[in-house]
Amino acid sequence: DQQVKQNSPSLSVQEGRISILNCDYTNSMFDYFLWYKKYPAEGPTFLISISSIKDKNEDGRFTVFLNKSAKHLSLHIVPSQPGDSAVYFCAVGNQAGTALIFGKGTTLSVSS
Amino acid sequence: DTGVSQDPRHKITKRGQNVTFRCDPISEHNRLYWYRQTLGQGPEFLTYFQNEAQLEKSRLLSDRFSAERPKGSFSTLEIQRTEQGDSAMYLCASSFGRELFWGYTFGSGTRLTVV
Repeated sequence: DQQVKQNSPSLSVQEGRISILNCDYTNSMFDYFLWYKKYPAEGPTFLISISSIKDKNEDGRFTVFLNKSAKHLSLHIVPSQPGDSAVYFCAVGNQAGTALIFGKGTTLSVSS
Repeated sequence: DTGVSQDPRHKITKRGQNVTFRCDPISEHNRLYWYRQTLGQGPEFLTYFQNEAQLEKSRLLSDRFSAERPKGSFSTLEIQRTEQGDSAMYLCASSFGRELFWGYTFGSGTRLTVV
């Protein structure tokens, strides 16, 4: 049973508009929530994270929102750029463990 | 230091053969992780080292898999008697300390194809 779900396999957005990627998780015990970005033939690259004591974290064009009651997190990219086209994975973990649990990913395509 | 290095980048092997992959983490990172990614899936945790000690193993790591990190630096992942289901991207990652907030640094992976 999947503990982390990214229900949209793909998302297409125009350059300059907002991209919103969503992720749902099942276990309320997770402490950390991360987003990774992956280009073809490369390993995932850490993008941004948030801990369970926060509901928002911002880094430049990237903002992650956490809704603990809904067990939902989202990544907003504003404005979207063609270089943002990649696969985005959300991942969750807890302080007691070391493994991150990843979703299946969402492929973002930003067209110019 | 240019990041996490994995070798080889690609490996094609016949079913039943043994294969070994190498990972060189970022030098100051004491934690090293192996993950596996199959088509259409996210990375799945296999095992974790703190320095030379293997502290955690996933149920995905069958008896045919063995990982080592002999001096707390590079690590090897060996798969014995490979099966077609072992075809995947094998990812190594490293981190310093326990703070998951900063994530891991992944290497580019080794793509294994079992024919």
